[in-house]
Amino acid sequence: TQLLEQSPQFLSIQEGENLTVYCNSSSVFSSLQWYRQEPGEGPVLLVTVVTGGEVKKLKRLTFQFGDARKDSSLHITAAQPGDTGLYLCAGASSSGYALNFGKGTSLLVTP
Amino acid sequence: DVKVTQSSRYLVKRTGEKVFLECVQDMDHENMFWYRQDPGLGLRLIYFSYDVKMKEKGDIPEGYSVSREKKERFSLILESASTNQTSMYLCASVAGDFTDTQYFGPGTRLTVL
Repeated sequence: TQLLEQSPQFLSIQEGENLTVYCNSSSVFSSLQWYRQEPGEGPVLLVTVVTGGEVKKLKRLTFQFGDARKDSSLHITAAQPGDTGLYLCAGASSSGYALNFGKGTSLLVTP
Repeated sequence: DVKVTQSSRYLVKRTGEKVFLECVQDMDHENMFWYRQDPGLGLRLIYFSYDVKMKEKGDIPEGYSVSREKKERFSLILESASTNQTSMYLCASVAGDFTDTQYFGPGTRLTVL
């Protein structure tokens, strides 16, 4: 199993602030996915990045895949209470049979 | 709209009971997965199935078995429930390659007393 380390583990911020969540590994992944999980629900895919150096934007969320395809970041601009949830990164390796999930970053955005 | 449903949102069982968790997807997906999610440990893969009657062990299969008799249904079985199996159980399905989008059910929170 290839480990994905997410940081920070917990984040509590006020509405309007910016934040960045990191997902790091010593292994190379063929692609990396970001999911958001709201309380009482299953994770929902936000984005998939596949090319080293790739940057994808989803409204106020910006996702980046590292050049070496070992790490990724999620940046949220002007966070809103609706962004509250658990953010999970998941990596796929070319030799594996399933995704490897990080432990997640729990984000709380207060008004 | 794609949908993965799980038979129960909350379940309370006693130690030693046989427990069945059911998962149904309506997307005609080949691959289905069972995970458990625990605080501080993240999602851990228990079993997955890439076709009817086909199954593969994930990272933590001990104490669990699975059944896939029909394409749309993937069941997780706890032969003799133990307290350390208290957890949130999540089912997911994927259309094609495992790197594609995983569609998750809402989860079953199982408590074993």
